[in-house]
Amino acid sequence: QKEVEQDPGPLSVPEGAIVSLNCTYSNSAFQYFMWYRQYSRKGPELLMYTYSSGNKEDGRFTAQVDKSSKYISLFIRDSQPSDSATYLCAMTDNTNAGKSTFGDGTTLTVKP
Amino acid sequence: DGGITQSPKYLFRKEGQNVTLSCEQNLNHDAMYWYRQDPGQGLRLIYYSQIVNDFQKGDIAEGYSVSREKKESFPLTVTSAQKNPTAFYLCASSISGGGQPQHFGDGTRLSIL
Repeated sequence: QKEVEQDPGPLSVPEGAIVSLNCTYSNSAFQYFMWYRQYSRKGPELLMYTYSSGNKEDGRFTAQVDKSSKYISLFIRDSQPSDSATYLCAMTDNTNAGKSTFGDGTTLTVKP
Repeated sequence: DGGITQSPKYLFRKEGQNVTLSCEQNLNHDAMYWYRQDPGQGLRLIYYSQIVNDFQKGDIAEGYSVSREKKESFPLTVTSAQKNPTAFYLCASSISGGGQPQHFGDGTRLSIL
């Protein structure tokens, strides 16, 4: 079993929809949680970085962490065609030299 | 602008040949990482370095080698021992280890001729 499981997708939504992207994990030592956006043939771009349970909002994006359930989510409000990309969750514990464990990614398409 | 530069963008390797992928950062980050990404899969860690002149194997180090002679540079060599080298290679850096988020370059796509 993988340490990080990400909803596989692909996901296709109409423009303006609310999108929910999800990951579960098994390692209770994970303390830092990240979401990256990756466009085709590009490197991942850091979207959200959170520590501990709770919500963090940045514009149309909200990251949610529930450590008790070992579950993280990324919500995108008012989705735009430019949001079409692959989204990767990643998490790190503070004892492992900064090594992050990544989910396999969810590919999102937002249709105009 | 600060960032991570990977070169070349595309690289072709002949059978039995070693090739070296370049990664340079001007973010003054201490830690650097190399990942391999295959279609439909997440990132798998090849090697990482927390400080100059020191590096550790990741999860899939066999057939790869690295060096860290300068803080800003972390080249990856794909040796002929790597039997399935076709992949997208990503270099990343972070301020330090211990949970700091990583910032990525735009990758090198390696193919076999």
